[in-house]
Amino acid sequence: DAKTTQPTSMDCAEGRAANLPCNHSTISGNEYVYWYRQIHSQGPQYIIHGLKNNETNEMASLIITEDRKSSTLILPHATLRDTAVYYCIVALRDYKLSFGAGTTVTVRA
Amino acid sequence: DTAVSQTPKYLVTQMGNDKSIKCEQNLGHDTMYWYKQDSKKFLKIMFSYNNKELIINETVPNRFSPKSPDKAHLNLHINSLELGDSAVYFCASSLGTWTSGSSDTQYFGPGTRLTVL
Repeated sequence: DAKTTQPTSMDCAEGRAANLPCNHSTISGNEYVYWYRQIHSQGPQYIIHGLKNNETNEMASLIITEDRKSSTLILPHATLRDTAVYYCIVALRDYKLSFGAGTTVTVRA
Repeated sequence: DTAVSQTPKYLVTQMGNDKSIKCEQNLGHDTMYWYKQDSKKFLKIMFSYNNKELIINETVPNRFSPKSPDKAHLNLHINSLELGDSAVYFCASSLGTWTSGSSDTQYFGPGTRLTVL
């Protein structure tokens, strides 16, 4: 599975959009991009995933560049409850997810 | 309506003991997983079962033995516990429908914090 690179941490103001970047320059054509988050010590929570097209659900939007070498997770209106570690994962299928260090996102009032 | 549940939530035990962690999912999923999250917070997959059959075993010591009595349960038994086994263990499940062009997602349990003294 391709390796991903994310910033270690980022801050975001409550109510503003949070844009989380992820680089995955070695992604292969049939690998998916997944985003999960882990709030404090809870179990990871699925956010969104995509292959080529941009995706949106009730939690977030996923923007994948045309060459698929990077992506951005967008939390449209961050709340304090969005403070968590966000993981960008690239995998052929979801049965073998490899979690890296992730980005620690702190939403500030 | 807990989707993926684990018991116990906390487990403190002595080195050399044998212990088990239980996991149950009520989502009707075919695939279940065990992950280990160490003190550095890295989350690594240990095992995956699909329809009660082992499909992933990520070079985990053979002191760790998963057991799946049915699709809804995947238990983790650990023999001769060592200090390095202290971690948070997460169970997860997914539909397991890996048909071409599709993907599914994993649902995680709340975790079991194991402390070996």
